[in-house]
Amino acid sequence: QLQLQESGPGLVKPSETLSLTCTVSRGSISVSDYHWGWIRQPPGKGLEWIGTVYYSGSTYNNPSLQSRVTISVDTSKKQFSLSLSSVTAADTAVYYCARQRYGDNKLYGLDIWGQGTTVTVSS
Amino acid sequence: QSVLTQPPSASGTPGQRVTISCSGSSSNIGSNFVYWYQQLPGTAPKLLIYRNDQRPPGVPDRFSGSKSGTSASLAISGLRSEDEADYYCGAWDDSLSASVFGTGTKVTVL
Repeated sequence: QLQLQESGPGLVKPSETLSLTCTVSRGSISVSDYHWGWIRQPPGKGLEWIGTVYYSGSTYNNPSLQSRVTISVDTSKKQFSLSLSSVTAADTAVYYCARQRYGDNKLYGLDIWGQGTTVTVSS
Repeated sequence: QSVLTQPPSASGTPGQRVTISCSGSSSNIGSNFVYWYQQLPGTAPKLLIYRNDQRPPGVPDRFSGSKSGTSASLAISGLRSEDEADYYCGAWDDSLSASVFGTGTKVTVL
């Protein structure tokens, strides 16, 4: 069964850039039917979809975060990454990576999730 | 801010049936599949229902999904203590060209 694992700093200073990586194991990242995505969950709140990347590098992004988000892929390392710039305390959350089904220029369900990593924005 | 609206909470006693609603619009639920996720305390979400009413392998048939117009529902029959969790609906939104989640519903087993 394919597995996903997030990694990155647990503490980021305000105004800096948050950078996380998700490593894919027990499966391929270069598959035609899936995008690779990021979702976050602030403490005590609901889920927020951040965006996804295809193995070719094409992306979909949440319009509300688009100006600060970059999602990229490195197929040779079987990794995809999230960069979120100019962070504030409101970006404090558990960040999940996940696999999302893709087809007909749309995204569908998120069927495999990483365990999540907590990122705190604080000086 | 979530595009899909769910009741904040739902509850029932063991064995009862609980239903959770998810209200959207023509650009999301009205024209795309609905997905449901279960998030047990302290864990990552898990896909519970896909394509409106399909269950992934391993999901008990106590869980069922339906969709009508711009709304969807998740039903849990024969409620069990291990069903106590947060539940989220999700769909693609054609206007936003983005995936959206519901506000989430906390299910409590009394």
